[in-house]
Parts: sequence; structure tokens; C-alpha cells
Amino acid sequence: QKEVEQNSGPLSVPEGAIASLNCTYSDRGSQSFFWYRQYSGKSPELIMSIYSNGDKEDGRFTAQLNKASQYVSLLIRDSQPSDSATYLCAVNSMASDAGNNRKLIWGLGTSLAVNP
Amino acid sequence: EAGVAQSPRYKIIEKRQSVAFWCNPISGHATLYWYQQILGQGPKLLIQFQNNGVVDDSQLPKDRFSAERLKGVDSTLKIQPAKLEDSAVYLCASSFSPPDTQYFGPGTRLTVL
Repeated sequence: QKEVEQNSGPLSVPEGAIASLNCTYSDRGSQSFFWYRQYSGKSPELIMSIYSNGDKEDGRFTAQLNKASQYVSLLIRDSQPSDSATYLCAVNSMASDAGNNRKLIWGLGTSLAVNP
Repeated sequence: EAGVAQSPRYKIIEKRQSVAFWCNPISGHATLYWYQQILGQGPKLLIQFQNNGVVDDSQLPKDRFSAERLKGVDSTLKIQPAKLEDSAVYLCASSFSPPDTQYFGPGTRLTVL
């Protein structure tokens, strides 16, 4: 059973600080990694996607991927109260029960609270 | 570009009743997904379509859930009969092709009483 694990939190950081969200995965063959943000009562929206080892930056967000250690992280710089949400890690993994199909395996999400 | 459309947004039914949800994906997206999300959990894939064919329905409770995607565009998800544990948000997502980025609709919040 392919797994994606995240700390459920809540992770609480003061406004302006760096929030660090971590995710580990079990399938060494995974090739695509996604971070989604989900506000309460809303649907997930894509924040970042990353496919290669290293860092990928987009504004205040940086995704970091380490395939050897099987983890992917999301850093949020200068955290704002509007960043308060649940952050979902999703990993594209071979579905062992569906032929050669690959599907997203989702973590349970980390709840982030940014305090003014 | 229009996003993924879903309806209804909210639905309240009693157990043993039936319910249907509708999804219209982003234009040109061949892959369509139905997810179930229970409060506090990540999305759980129910079924994945590639055009109008089923790619993965391994987690779909087939004794009560059914889904179709006629003509490879719109899709409907049906529950009959509903159980209390079906109370959840049902999310539809689409992508150009797997394993591309998935874009989600607003979801349908189902409450089964």
C-alpha cells in the first residue's frame, strides 16, 4: 500500500515567520509531487508542483524534493494570516491495483495557523 | 478559462435515498476524477476516467455507487441507497492527462440523515 505521510498539526507560526511543512512517501518510483492548499469548506487548490530533486521557488513558496530520502517539503516565507489553511501533499504513484495506471496518493494534510 | 463545475453544491438526504452529482471538467481535459473527502482527511479517489473509459475504480463501493462519463465530457456520480457514512464532500477534478496537475471543482457537500 503506497503511503504519503504528513504531520497533522496544527502547526502554529507567528506572522512573518517561515512555516515548514513536511511530507514523506513510500513509493521510490514516484515522479510527480504536489502541494495543495485547502481552506476550510473549500476545495484543494494547487500551490506548487515539483518533479526534480532540489528547490523550486514561486513567490513566498519554496518546494524542496529529496528523492533519495523520499521527502518533499513546502516552505512559506513571511507567513501571513491568509496562509492559514490545511496543506495537502500529493504524490503520483504507481497504483498497484490498476495495471500501469498512476494515481495521486494524498496525505491527510497539515493544518497551519498563522497568528497575527 | 472556466474551471471545473459541479452541482449541486449542497445536498441533504435521508439514509436509503438516492442522490446524484454532476461534474463538467475543464475544456480539453481528458482525465476526470471523483473524490470523496471526509472531514479531517485527505481526498480519497473513488473513480478515474480517461475520456469515457474507467481507468481506476478500485475504491468505489460498487454495491451502492456508480459513475458514468458519457461522450468523454460531463460525468455523474450516483449513490443508491445512501448510508450515514456517505456524508462527505464529493470533489470532482480534471487534468489534461495523468499524471498532470489536477484542478478541483467547488465540491458537493452531502449530508445523510
